[in-house]
Amino acid sequence: GAGVSQSPSNKVTEKGKDVELRCDPISGHTALYWYRQSLGQGLEFLIYFQGNSAPDKSGLPSDRFSAERTGGSVSTLTIQRTQQEDSAVYLCASRHRDRVDIGQFFGPGTRLTVL
Amino acid sequence: TQLLEQSPQFLSIQEGENLTVYCNSSSVFSSLQWYRQEPGEGPVLLVTVVTGGEVKKLKRLTFQFGDARKDSSLHITAAQPGDTGLYLCAGYGGYNKLIFGAGTRLAVHP
Repeated sequence: GAGVSQSPSNKVTEKGKDVELRCDPISGHTALYWYRQSLGQGLEFLIYFQGNSAPDKSGLPSDRFSAERTGGSVSTLTIQRTQQEDSAVYLCASRHRDRVDIGQFFGPGTRLTVL
Repeated sequence: TQLLEQSPQFLSIQEGENLTVYCNSSSVFSSLQWYRQEPGEGPVLLVTVVTGGEVKKLKRLTFQFGDARKDSSLHITAAQPGDTGLYLCAGYGGYNKLIFGAGTRLAVHP
């Protein structure tokens, strides 16, 4: 597709369960980001992938959060043993490596609700 | 830690009014970006400002980057209901990490 896609669009889970969120970036974009957005708030950086370099994981809030990017394209964000405070919209964005000026292209997000 | 503070947090105005949203930091940014986000969607880039003192116009929207590159403003002239949304400023804290302000939620009523 032409844009960043994310799945599922909505996920409701029970506390303690694991969830996987998927992101398909724009083809050719080597940089991929995950953010978390709580209700009505700004975006909190989680993790950044750039090509084959080691990811910048400095924003991950705990060791229950992990992410991988396979083949330099699709990325999966995994949250283990979900907690109610994990409820938020998880946004993925991609960017061409050398085009900081044109900004990041965001997907529509996955709304995660932990009951 | 680099932080971006936006004000006001909420703004509710009538169609045709003018408004200004502010984005301030104690840190210098090499560039600042403004995004608009509508419900159920991801943010969409409006503009990138790079040079201190720079002014960019996008139809009824005017963006300004402070001379010291620590602050920016967004001015909307004759606001329309279609301008309703969450406005976010963002700057790169280092090459990799885009730091976002908390956003200004704008509601324009007909």
